[in-house]
Amino acid sequence: DGGITQSPKYLFRKEGQNVTLSCEQNLNHDAMYWYRQDPGQGLRLIYYSQIVNDFQKGDIAEGYSVSREKKESFPLTVTSAQKNPTAFYLCASTQGQDYTEAFFGQGTRLTVV
Amino acid sequence: QKEVEQNSGPLSVPEGAIASLNCTYSDRGSQSFFWYRQYSGKSPELIMSIYSNGDKEDGRFTAQLNKASQYVSLLIRDSQPSDSATYLCAVRRDQKVTFGTGTKLQVIP
Repeated sequence: DGGITQSPKYLFRKEGQNVTLSCEQNLNHDAMYWYRQDPGQGLRLIYYSQIVNDFQKGDIAEGYSVSREKKESFPLTVTSAQKNPTAFYLCASTQGQDYTEAFFGQGTRLTVV
Repeated sequence: QKEVEQNSGPLSVPEGAIASLNCTYSDRGSQSFFWYRQYSGKSPELIMSIYSNGDKEDGRFTAQLNKASQYVSLLIRDSQPSDSATYLCAVRRDQKVTFGTGTKLQVIP
């Protein structure tokens, strides 16, 4: 079945550590996205990528980094510079056409311990 | 001004009533509009999409778009307790998809 796979589902990080969240899609979508969601809040855009080897900052990119070496993969690294990383992270993808909706993975819940 | 604004709620409606959810957006160049439903701890799932002015109906759901007023709404007819969730409005321009903060809907049995 086609879809978006995020892993792990739960992740615990010690303060000062970098962690990488995985996102893989087999939908042959061109664009991929990372959002952050805090309790009771909406989705805030961290980074997005329209094509391989290219990505743009979203509204809250500070303390995060991404790469897009393959069309299927868009990993997100939460660096130690992100001071409040505890949140629910959602990866999404869309087809290249302007009017298509975003499909989401199941999310990764990151907790700093 | 936020790019996409929604009333956070909660919006409480009795079972069987019509729930009306509203969203405004700031970018006049926005091209497509979406409503997602999100249950607690889960990822958003698409309810409706709308691209041109007017109404679009799908079962119990009707999306309404008014580009001149930069306004999009979602009506849920015959609301059910299972409709209780947070509803997110999303707006797309080119490859950027921006979400509102969501409206929490509670359907009271």
